[in-house]
Amino acid sequence: GAVVSQHPSRVICKSGTSVKIECRSLDFQATTMFWYRQFPKQSLMLMATSNEGSKATYEQGVEKDKFLINHASLTLSTLTVTSAHPEDSSFYICSAPSENTGELFFGEGSRLTVL
Amino acid sequence: GENVEQHPSTLSVQEGDSAVIKCTYSDSASNYFPWYKQELGKRPQLIIDIRSNVGEKKDQRIAVTLNKTAKHFSLHITETQPEDSAVYFCAARAFGNEKLTFGTGTRLTIIP
Repeated sequence: GAVVSQHPSRVICKSGTSVKIECRSLDFQATTMFWYRQFPKQSLMLMATSNEGSKATYEQGVEKDKFLINHASLTLSTLTVTSAHPEDSSFYICSAPSENTGELFFGEGSRLTVL
Repeated sequence: GENVEQHPSTLSVQEGDSAVIKCTYSDSASNYFPWYKQELGKRPQLIIDIRSNVGEKKDQRIAVTLNKTAKHFSLHITETQPEDSAVYFCAARAFGNEKLTFGTGTRLTIIP
């Protein structure tokens, strides 16, 4: 199956700093990628849809100026959490659909802890 | 938009018995229904999916049924094993829309 790689897997940062998370499709091209956030013992909540070469589409209630998304190539999307605060601590997971089947493949996830 | 409800939120089953998890969806345009298994701290893994042109699909101990009229679908795991313990999520997606909407998840515990 297709492989999606996410980096870093864990990051701890101080309040007020920015953190960048990368999501790569390793063996296929992804014009669209999805960013999810998952709080402990909760479901995956879609934050935004990353579109290659154009602006991301954000879900209602997600601050686009706080969660910057860049999809500069067909294999890479980045999520930057700007001015992070403790309430941003969560598990962030990216995903990309297979070109052929549309099946969604997930990255390993990034656990962000903001002190 | 789509709304997916999932029940139960927790389920404990004796090893060897069957487990059933149920989901309902709201958007009649949805035509793709995957099920994911997520172990603690790991990424969700697709275990089975079904499209709206069939009513049932089976893969070894796992089966999924779909009732389009009632807008609900279910995951059935037979002969459960300890390694089946995890959180399971259902999801739904409409044709032409790549966005998946997830259910709230079911924490399945298999009791040895």
